[in-house]
Amino acid sequence: DQQVKQNSPSLSVQEGRISILNCDYTNSMFDYFLWYKKYPAEGPTFLISISSIKDKNEDGRFTVFLNKSAKHLSLHIVPSQPGDSAVYFCAASVQNYGQNFVFGPGTRLSVLP
Amino acid sequence: DTGVSQNPRHKITKRGQNVTFRCDPISEHNRLYWYRQTLGQGPEFLTYFQNEAQLEKSRLLSDRFSAERPKGSFSTLEIQRTEQGDSAMYLCASSLVGGGSSYNEQFFGPGTRLTVL
Repeated sequence: DQQVKQNSPSLSVQEGRISILNCDYTNSMFDYFLWYKKYPAEGPTFLISISSIKDKNEDGRFTVFLNKSAKHLSLHIVPSQPGDSAVYFCAASVQNYGQNFVFGPGTRLSVLP
Repeated sequence: DTGVSQNPRHKITKRGQNVTFRCDPISEHNRLYWYRQTLGQGPEFLTYFQNEAQLEKSRLLSDRFSAERPKGSFSTLEIQRTEQGDSAMYLCASSLVGGGSSYNEQFFGPGTRLTVL
């Protein structure tokens, strides 16, 4: 029973265009969400986070949107760059429950030059 | 480099053998987490420590698995009587909890890839 889902295993985008990665969750107790990026042979690297009291958080080229009623969040990267090519993991946690993250299966983003 | 380090990076063992992995977290971090990642999946939580206390263990952590963080600094994860299903990437992460913030970013190490033949 996957509590965090990323239904697109892969995504290809042209350089300079927008990349949109989606994530759905089932546990309504989740109140903190993160995106991690992973390159081959490296551990995941934190990208951006959002708490459930917000619906948007922006950091440079990266914006995360949260729709609590739909239990859906998305990561927008604009403009996309070839260096953004990596696997992106969505993660969620419950603040008062050890803050252990539940990860989705990941989406592999390829940004084509 | 003051990031999270893990040793060894790769381990190949035969079924039935015991293996031990080490994680050195970022020095001022008080929480340390162990995750397991298999191909095509995201990291799955195994256990975590607050300082030297092991506060939570996942159902995934069978009796063959044991983790320690004896002095609240580095941690070891031991798998006894390894099985082929234990083959995975074992990731360690650390975070600093407190200082007025309830949320914490976890910093991951590069992982130890275990192959059980």
